Amino acid sequence: TQLLEQSPQFLSIQEGENLTVYCNSSSVFSSLQWYRQEPGEGPVLLVTVVTGGEVKKLKRLTFQFGDARKDSSLHITAAQPGDTGLYLCAGVNTNAGKSTFGDGTTLTVKP
Amino acid sequence: SQTIHQWPATLVQPVGSPLSLECTVEGTSNPNLYWYRQAAGRGLQLLFYSVGIGQISSEVPQNLSASRPQDRQFILSSKKLLLSDSGFYLCAWALGTSREKLFFGSGTQLSVL
Repeated sequence: TQLLEQSPQFLSIQEGENLTVYCNSSSVFSSLQWYRQEPGEGPVLLVTVVTGGEVKKLKRLTFQFGDARKDSSLHITAAQPGDTGLYLCAGVNTNAGKSTFGDGTTLTVKP
Repeated sequence: SQTIHQWPATLVQPVGSPLSLECTVEGTSNPNLYWYRQAAGRGLQLLFYSVGIGQISSEVPQNLSASRPQDRQFILSSKKLLLSDSGFYLCAWALGTSREKLFFGSGTQLSVL
């Protein structure tokens, strides 16, 4: 069973601060996705990373895939209250065709 | 564009009662379909997935079953609910060559009392 560990589990910061959350595994994935979920809603896909060492930017969010494709990070610059939510990473192996999810990081950005 | 519909949004059921949650997808054909369960503030546990009509794969032994009677319809059922079946149930369909991009419905919050 492939496991994804996310850290920290909870993060509470003030508006304007920067933060990084991590997604780590001992397994190699063919791709990794980051999702954001608000209470009572389904997760929404933010980004997919495929190539080892790949970096993708989405406005104030920067996603990085580890060189060995076992881990990933999400960095948010100048966090805003609208960034509040549960951030989930998910890894996929092409052969399995299924996503394995981490337990998520709950982010709270206080105004 | 593709859309996914899941209902009901909230459900309160007594222990021992049956369950039927329905999910439909529009705007795509032959999607992979998934049922996930999520504990409060936690990650998603895959329950069932389907690659086509009548094809169901179960990930974990449990009190639930799934069916796919039509290409874009996925149903989660139980004959007798247990307290442990409570949770947030999410339906999703997948896009991409490797089916790596998941698009979720808005979920059903099930409380078994």
